[in-house]
Amino acid sequence: AQKITQTQPGMFVQEKEAVTLDCTYDTSDPSYGLFWYKQPSSGEMIFLIYQGSYDQQNATEGRYSLNFQKARKSANLVISASQLGDSAMYFCAMREGWGGSEKLVFGKGTKLTVNP
Amino acid sequence: AAGVIQSPRHLIKEKRETATLKCYPIPRHDTVYWYQQGPGQDPQFLISFYEKMQSDKGSIPDRFSAQQFSDYHSELNMSSLELGDSALYFCASSPGRSSYNEQFFGPGTRLTVL
Repeated sequence: AQKITQTQPGMFVQEKEAVTLDCTYDTSDPSYGLFWYKQPSSGEMIFLIYQGSYDQQNATEGRYSLNFQKARKSANLVISASQLGDSAMYFCAMREGWGGSEKLVFGKGTKLTVNP
Repeated sequence: AAGVIQSPRHLIKEKRETATLKCYPIPRHDTVYWYQQGPGQDPQFLISFYEKMQSDKGSIPDRFSAQQFSDYHSELNMSSLELGDSALYFCASSPGRSSYNEQFFGPGTRLTVL
């Protein structure tokens, strides 16, 4: 079964508007971390934001915020005031457990296009 | 701030040749991960090292091997290269093994097998 599901292969947004990228996850481990990465066309993986399973508040980093709904197992990324430079692939990823399986498991990604 | 360094950035090889990719983690990071990202795909975990010992293994072919050295840099050795090995190979480093620790990615090595 897919551990991370991103149901939006592509999203379009107008410059200066907000956009939500969906991510649902599947785990039975009570301890896990959720990450969002941005991958522009140049290829590098840029860390955006992190949410821990025990964090009480939703994570925020500048224009990025994470809408964490634990009961629904969703961790949607919200980008406010979109900019042309936000056009990229966005990957949601998860790590499970403490010092066990440390790998990041990625979703298939969402390609975001910001229109002027 | 220092980032993860990967070399080379681009590599072109022929089928059945051998390639070695190098990764230099962020100073004081003791954990290194390798990921493979095929064209249009999400990154797939290959292998990881913690304190110079292999700590986890993913879908890494038997033709590939890796190690972490005493200075914490890591090398991914790929032999008998196949066309399907053409991909972007990322190295990431982390200050420890906790699920709460961010993994910092290097810029990647783009391997093309002809």
